[in-house]
This record gives sequence, structure tokens and C-alpha cells, in this order.
Amino acid sequence: DAGVIQSPRHEVTEMGQEVTLRCKPISGHDYLFWYRQTMMRGLELLIYFNNNVPIDDSGMPEDRFSAKMPNASFSTLKIQPSEPRDSAVYFCASSFVKEKLFFGSGTQLSVL
Amino acid sequence: GQQLNQSPQSMFIQEGEDVSMNCTSSSIFNTWLWYKQDPGEGPVLLIALYKAGELTSNGRLTAQFGITRKDSFLNISASIPSDVGIYFCAGQGGNTPLVFGKGTRLSVIA
Repeated sequence: DAGVIQSPRHEVTEMGQEVTLRCKPISGHDYLFWYRQTMMRGLELLIYFNNNVPIDDSGMPEDRFSAKMPNASFSTLKIQPSEPRDSAVYFCASSFVKEKLFFGSGTQLSVL
Repeated sequence: GQQLNQSPQSMFIQEGEDVSMNCTSSSIFNTWLWYKQDPGEGPVLLIALYKAGELTSNGRLTAQFGITRKDSFLNISASIPSDVGIYFCAGQGGNTPLVFGKGTRLSVIA
């Protein structure tokens, strides 16, 4: 298996622009997680899905953030409009059991 | 919410030395896990612990689930340069998702 695939690896955008991050989980995994990593706050859980249904989105910072999982093999995290404080590494992870997460390589987002 | 205190924040050690890091929680956890993150990559699972008192090894790595269920530690024996990275503890209690510590950044001097 190719593992969790995220795209793009790097994204540089200007404040106010819409950003879409993409994730393909490992086939057969029922759970999908979106995390954000910064030096100050470490790894923060933004939202997770079980069987394509959002279970807990309490970590989503504000209404500018939204996530979807239209099918078992694809998820998106969208930020609209983006702000400089959104700059971080965003990780997608998937798992068969809730605690054994497999992470993607992340998307390094820079909002200027 | 649940919080994990991971220490130390960073370590500089000589190649061949043993390393110890730990994690404590204000809450009881049912599962403790240790992950390692290499530069530019996502964290990778090293060891999972499911029972209080459990001691598990993975090569030169040994981790223990504390008896109180509020702590865990990770030891690395005879460190080598490729051990460099950030080590994260993570805990799960009940039906909640994983909570991650802030990480221990390990540097190994050859």
C-alpha cells in the first residue's frame, strides 16, 4: 500500500485566498483525521471522520475551516479565506482502529 | 480537555548513549502510544501499550505503560544517528481521540 497520500506537499498563498488540502487514506481504514502542527501548539486535532461521517469537529479553529469526506478514499480540508496565522503543517492520518494512526507526509502551508 | 506533559523538550546526546523520555497526564488513559517524526515527514508509530504496567520493546526501544495509567516512558538504548527526530507520546482515554504530547526533540552527536 502507498500509505496516506497528501497533496500538495507545499502551498504558498496570499492572505484572503482559498486553500484546499487533499488526502487519500489507506484503503480499508475506517477513520480519517486532520491535524495541524505548529511549534507553539504541537499537533492539534482539527476533525475526524468515521466511515466518511464527521464525528468530532470541535478542533476546527473557526468557520473559515471546513472538511469533507465525500467517499472512503478522499477527503479535503478547506480554508477560506486564509490568514497568515493559518501557516502550519497540516497532516492527514487514517486508521483501522482509532488509536493506531498512519500519517501522511503533510502539507506545509504558508499564508503571506 | 486532556493534556499531556512530555519531557524533556529536547535532548542532545552522544552516539551510543541511552535515552529516556516520559509523558504524564492529568487523566487516566487506556492506551499509550509513542510516535517518531523525521524531518519533513509525518509521525510514525513506534510502540503501542494497552495495559497498565505493560513493558514492550521494539528493537532498541522500550516503552512502559505506568501503573497509575497516567504516565508512560520511552527508552532508547545505544543511540545511533538515525534516532534523530521528534518523539511524541500520545494517549487515549475512553472513546476520545488521541491526545499528543508536544514532543521531545532528540539530537545525536556522532
